[in-house]
Amino acid sequence: GAGVSQSPSNKVTEKGKDVELRCDPISGHTALYWYRQSLGQGLEFLIYFQGNSAPDKSGLPSDRFSAERTGGSVSTLTIQRTQQEDSAVYLCASSLGDRDGYTFGSGTRLTVV
Amino acid sequence: GNSVTQMEGPVTLSEEAFLTINCTYTATGYPSLFWYVQYPGEGLQLLLKATKADDKGSNKGFEATYRKETTSFHLEKGSVQVSDSAVYFCALSGGGNQGGKLIFGQGTELSVKP
Repeated sequence: GAGVSQSPSNKVTEKGKDVELRCDPISGHTALYWYRQSLGQGLEFLIYFQGNSAPDKSGLPSDRFSAERTGGSVSTLTIQRTQQEDSAVYLCASSLGDRDGYTFGSGTRLTVV
Repeated sequence: GNSVTQMEGPVTLSEEAFLTINCTYTATGYPSLFWYVQYPGEGLQLLLKATKADDKGSNKGFEATYRKETTSFHLEKGSVQVSDSAVYFCALSGGGNQGGKLIFGQGTELSVKP
């Protein structure tokens, strides 16, 4: 597509429930990234996929967080047993390479109540 | 590991004032450097980039020069407008063993008053 598409745009969930966030990158972009932006905070790296290489999961805050990328395209970020501190905007970005611009989606605003 | 440090905000300026937002980085190798902007209620947008030393990125009247000797990538604009009010993020990628991961500074909020 023309841009990076994320869904849902907003998600309210109860504490303890699992959630799945979806990212459709720009067609042909081999690199895909997930970041988290909390209110008043900066951008926190979560996970990075590059082509067929093993993903860089070094930013995932706990084992409740996981992500996969199927067929080198769509990615799903899963948060199990959500906690209130998981409330944030989850941003996805894709790019052709590390010297190109990264295109960000509009994000999914997750609220855990 | 690689890191990016930005001047703290918020920065408040009057319209037509000169803007500088400082950004310094720590990295091995030769990273690419970026400035992103986030307007109120919107997502992150790439503002400009530079991929090698002495390169100057420019867009919408904003400029930043990749200075390897001072490990800096300061953002400048000669005359700001109210519509420039946003949060600005300096970032780097590549270099060293960080791969393609984009590392952000903490962001600097700019508020331009008429």
